Amino acid sequence: GENVEQHPSTLSVQEGDSAVIKCTYSDSASNYFPWYKQELGKGPQLIIDIRSNVGEKKDQRIAVTLNKTAKHFSLHITETQPEDSAVYFCAASLGTDKLIFGTGTRLQVFP
Amino acid sequence: DAGVIQSPRHEVTEMGQEVTLRCKPISGHNSLFWYRQTMMRGLELLIYFNNNVPIDDSGMPEDRFSAKMPNASFSTLKIQPSEPRDSAVYFCASSLGTGGEQYFGPGTRLTVT
Repeated sequence: GENVEQHPSTLSVQEGDSAVIKCTYSDSASNYFPWYKQELGKGPQLIIDIRSNVGEKKDQRIAVTLNKTAKHFSLHITETQPEDSAVYFCAASLGTDKLIFGTGTRLQVFP
Repeated sequence: DAGVIQSPRHEVTEMGQEVTLRCKPISGHNSLFWYRQTMMRGLELLIYFNNNVPIDDSGMPEDRFSAKMPNASFSTLKIQPSEPRDSAVYFCASSLGTGGEQYFGPGTRLTVT
């Protein structure tokens, strides 16, 4: 079955710097790659997603890139702010409802 | 919109007791998911339903776990008997259509002593 690896497990950046989180997946048939943000005491919330027919997608300070050949995708956050501090999860899906999540990255943005 | 509603938010129980977690999905959503989150294993899909029918229960750890969805607005996850290793945060999520965005509830923190 599908397996998703995520790195790094923790990431500390200064406010205003960029943050990059990387994920790799094992099943080349996966075609949907969402990113979720989980704040303390809350459930994960979708922040951006990308499908396999697109190489890059942007939404304000957040972007996701996908390399199907290498089977990896990345989350880029620019101009980080303290409110970006949270745990971020990548996930992969074969186009069904079933998501396989990565292990999460704890991002800390220091003012 | 109230979002996905889960109850209770916190549950503390003794080993061997039955535990029932409840979920009300977002109105109109036709897929419902139960996840378990622990430090060791991360976020795991236990089971999901589509139009009230269980589609994939391969993540249910063992026979002690069972889930039902009697109608489109309610689902339960039951653990009987509970064990300390079941301690985790259990999330319910719902979505509209196949492959749609999953909306997570606030979770139920279960502690089994």
